[in-house]
Amino acid sequence: NAGVTQTPKFQVLKTGQSMTLQCAQDMNHEYMSWYRQDPGMGLRLIHYSVGAGITDQGEVPNGYNVSRSTTEDFPLRLLSAAPSQTSVYFCASSYGTSGGAETQYFGPGTRLLVL
Amino acid sequence: TQLLEQSPQFLSIQEGENLTVYCNSSSVFSSLQWYRQEPGEGPVLLVTVVTGGEVKKLKRLTFQFGDARKDSSLHITAAQPGDTGLYLCAGVRSSYKLIFGSGTRLLVRP
Repeated sequence: NAGVTQTPKFQVLKTGQSMTLQCAQDMNHEYMSWYRQDPGMGLRLIHYSVGAGITDQGEVPNGYNVSRSTTEDFPLRLLSAAPSQTSVYFCASSYGTSGGAETQYFGPGTRLLVL
Repeated sequence: TQLLEQSPQFLSIQEGENLTVYCNSSSVFSSLQWYRQEPGEGPVLLVTVVTGGEVKKLKRLTFQFGDARKDSSLHITAAQPGDTGLYLCAGVRSSYKLIFGSGTRLLVRP
């Protein structure tokens, strides 16, 4: 199993550009989520999904869109990038059997720089 | 405002020393998790505590969940350079919403 994979590993955008961060998992996990990690802030939940076709907002959803058409994939879209979105983005997945208290498996992250 | 406050933010100690990291909140959590993150990688789960007063041991690491389920601590005995990393606590506040603390960066010098 590859676990949780994220692409790209690193991206530079100009303000106003759009892009999609890809996340895939091969563990048949129902629950997937996106976090951003900024210095001194820990990880903050952006959006999450409890299954295909179901998504919900986390702590910091503004400026980001998600969809979940399959169990395996959970892409994160930035429609119009802003410098405040410069961060490291992590995707995570789990079986979703304990309301989030089960083991979360994290991907390696995508480093995004918005100029 | 961080719902989960971790202290200290940074800790540099000599190999063989003991240390404790704290994770405090004014909110009650149904469970609390501790993760360790190494540079360039995602966090990896160390432990989940679910019962107030619960103590779990993982080799040289001891985790405790406060009686009121608002705080937790991580104690490392005889720290080794391999323990170096960023330690994060995360509270499950409501279904599927994990709240992470700001992290404690630990450096263990040989």
